[in-house]
This record gives sequence, structure tokens and C-alpha cells, in this order.
Amino acid sequence: DQQVKQNSPSLSVQEGRISILNCDYTNSMFDYFLWYKKYPAEGPTFLISISSIKDKNEDGRFTVFLNKSAKHLSLHIVPSQPGDSAVYFCAATLDSGTYKYIFGTGTRLKVLA
Amino acid sequence: DSGVTQTPKHLITATGQRVTLRCSPRSGDLSVYWYQQSLDQGLQFLIQYYNGEERAKGNILERFSAQQFPDLHSELNLSSLELGDSALYFCASSTAGVYNEQFFGPGTRLTVL
Repeated sequence: DQQVKQNSPSLSVQEGRISILNCDYTNSMFDYFLWYKKYPAEGPTFLISISSIKDKNEDGRFTVFLNKSAKHLSLHIVPSQPGDSAVYFCAATLDSGTYKYIFGTGTRLKVLA
Repeated sequence: DSGVTQTPKHLITATGQRVTLRCSPRSGDLSVYWYQQSLDQGLQFLIQYYNGEERAKGNILERFSAQQFPDLHSELNLSSLELGDSALYFCASSTAGVYNEQFFGPGTRLTVL
């Protein structure tokens, strides 16, 4: 049972344009969401997060939007740069005392110069 | 560099064998998490240790076990290996507290032949 889903395995975007990566979840008890970026041969690195009490969080070129009623979150990257080319994972966690992450399967973003 | 180290980087072994993967968390981090990433899969949570004690278990096989030592480094032991155990194994660490970001190591790539 995949509780966190990223239905687009890949996405290509022109440099300077907006990249939108999507993530859906099924468990309404999730109350914290994160995006991680992963380059080949490296571990995932934290990008941005959002609590379920918010609907938007912004950090420079990166903005995460949360729609709780639709159980959907998205990551917007504006403007996209070639260095953003990586695999992006969304993750969710519960206030359960363990804070283990439930990850999606990832979306490979390619930013074309 | 996340500050989390994992050894070895690569491991090639045969079915039926046993291996040990090692992780050193960031200085000061008390929690260690292990994740498995198989081909085309997201990262699957295996197990969490906090200050030497097991805190949470995910879909970890009975053939797998882990421990966290007094110096806080952790080892993941995989035994009776099968072809399907071939994957990337990531260790992550975090400080105590609510929703702390997890920092990931570079991973160990295990190939079972």
C-alpha cells in the first residue's frame, strides 16, 4: 500500500521556466511533509518542508503547496536551473514519536539549458 | 557533505551470505534511521534507533537486524541474502525532537549475485 505517491516518474523543463512536481498521499493523519533532492551516487538532501497547519511554505526559488482536502502537495521551482536536475522525493511523517519518513517513488527532473 | 558516513560504499556478495553495513551519524545526533531503496522504488523505512534503543520498525525482514552502539554508530546486518535484497541502503540521522530534518548518508549499494 503506497501511502505517498508521485505519479510522474520524470519531468523535463526548460531553463528559466517553472518546474512543478506533484505528490499525493492517502493517510489523512500525516501532519508534516518534506521534499528531498537526490543526485546520483549521493544520499537525499533536504530541500523544504511544510506542516499540515500551513498551506504554503517558501524558501528562495522553492515553494511547497499543501492542499489537505485533496491530500496533495506540490513543489514549485522558479526559475528552474540546470543544477536542479535530480530526483525529487516527497515524504510524509506522523507525530508518532518516531518521525520515520514515508517516501514517494520520486520524480526525475531534467532542466534543459 | 551531510556529516553522516556509511561504509562500505559498494558490496558485492553471493546469495546465502551475510553482510554488515555500518553508519556513523552526525555528531550529536541520537536517532539513526535505516532505509532501503530498491530499483524504481521509493525509500522504504526499515528501522530506527534512538540513543541505543530500538524506537520503530518498518517492513524489515526477519533476516535483517540492526543495533546502535554506545558511541551511537549503527550497524545493519543482512543475512541469508537473496537476489531481491540487492538495493541501496541509506542511513539517516537526526537530533531528538519534533520533525527534525533527517540527514542522509551517501548509501551502501549492495549487489547480491
